[in-house]
Amino acid sequence: GAGVSQSPRYKVAKRGQDVALRCDPISGHVSLFWYQQALGQGPEFLTYFQNEAQLDKSGLPSDRFFAERPEGSVSTLKIQRTQQEDSAVYLCASSSRSGLYQETQYFGPGTRLLVL
Amino acid sequence: GESVGLHLPTLSVQEGDNSIINCAYSNSASDYFIWYKQESGKGPQFIIDIRSNMDKRQGQRVTVLLNKTVKHLSLQIAATQPGDSAVYFCAERPTGGSYIPTFGRGTSLIVHP
Repeated sequence: GAGVSQSPRYKVAKRGQDVALRCDPISGHVSLFWYQQALGQGPEFLTYFQNEAQLDKSGLPSDRFFAERPEGSVSTLKIQRTQQEDSAVYLCASSSRSGLYQETQYFGPGTRLLVL
Repeated sequence: GESVGLHLPTLSVQEGDNSIINCAYSNSASDYFIWYKQESGKGPQFIIDIRSNMDKRQGQRVTVLLNKTVKHLSLQIAATQPGDSAVYFCAERPTGGSYIPTFGRGTSLIVHP
């Protein structure tokens, strides 16, 4: 594909509702990252996949957050029982090799989540 | 704790001027630095990077300077254009192959035509 795509672009959820955010990385990219970006702040790391393996989930803020990448391409970030503090932009990024390399990460446009 | 930060939250310049965006970092173990541009409603876009064994790197209209002595990074944009208006983030990654960049807070660059 031309770049990283994410859907939906905007999501409004009622507090307590579950949401699922999708990321389509660049075709063939090995590494996939999820970030959370609060308004006016830089992105903060959530989790990292190398192919289908979730190698790091140290940034996930609580056990309500869950991410998967079952076939090593598309990834889904799920947030259960959403709370107002989950409101943020969720960014996905991919890179072509293992994340151990100092390599460019290509970001998607993000999903803006608003929890009411 | 270790952190990456920016000196100026907002920078306003006239079209055609040169812009300088600054960044201070405190993790002396960092050996790779990246500048990103983020336009409204979009994800961060890679601009230029630099490794700690360099002190200057040039791209198209952009130059990154690294001063390891004072742990300072800057992004220079020549002949700034209205299309350069965006938020600019510096990010650092530590030695040892960590894949997790730490982003600073960001500087908003406003270019007036």
